[in-house]
Amino acid sequence: GAVVSQHPSRVICKSGTSVKIECRSLDFQATTMFWYRQFPKQSLMLMATSNEGSKATYEQGVEKDKFLINHASLTLSTLTVTSAHPEDSSFYICSARDWVDQPQHFGDGTRLSIL
Amino acid sequence: ILNVEQSPQSLHVQEGDSTNFTCSFPSSNFYALHWYRWETAKSPEALFVMTLNGDEKKKGRISATLNTKEGYSYLYIKGSQPEDSATYLCAFMYGNKLVFGAGTILRVKS
Repeated sequence: GAVVSQHPSRVICKSGTSVKIECRSLDFQATTMFWYRQFPKQSLMLMATSNEGSKATYEQGVEKDKFLINHASLTLSTLTVTSAHPEDSSFYICSARDWVDQPQHFGDGTRLSIL
Repeated sequence: ILNVEQSPQSLHVQEGDSTNFTCSFPSSNFYALHWYRWETAKSPEALFVMTLNGDEKKKGRISATLNTKEGYSYLYIKGSQPEDSATYLCAFMYGNKLVFGAGTILRVKS
């Protein structure tokens, strides 16, 4: 089946650091990639949708300047948490899809801890 | 605000038991409903994409039904096994994106 690779799986860093998370589709071309955040005991919350070669579409309440998304190719999207603070600590997970009628294929997620 | 509700929140069953859980979603502007299984330390795995009212899909011992008029989908697991232990997520397709429920946590004891 389709494989999506996400790394790093775990990041612990100091407040003020910027952190980049990569999401790669390994065996298919992902026209659309999604970035989610999950708070403890809550559902996956969509942060933004990114289409290759165009600007990401952010959900209401998600700061574009805080969470920078780049989708430069059909197989790679990156999420950069800029100047991270403890309240940005969370579980971030990406998914990728080729056609709208297809299911999304998820990465393993990144546990971000900001000290 | 789009609401996707899953019940129960968690379920503990014995090996061999059959079980089912529910996903409720808005009945208007329906396009598709997705089911995913998310095992601990793994990535969510797609189970079904359901699009037609009355649809029933099956994958091994797992099956799902869809009622778009009343806005619900059931997921059934026949003869649960310990390896079925996971969080089962449903997601309602809204435009180009998925709105997820909080999931049902299933634990199967051997």
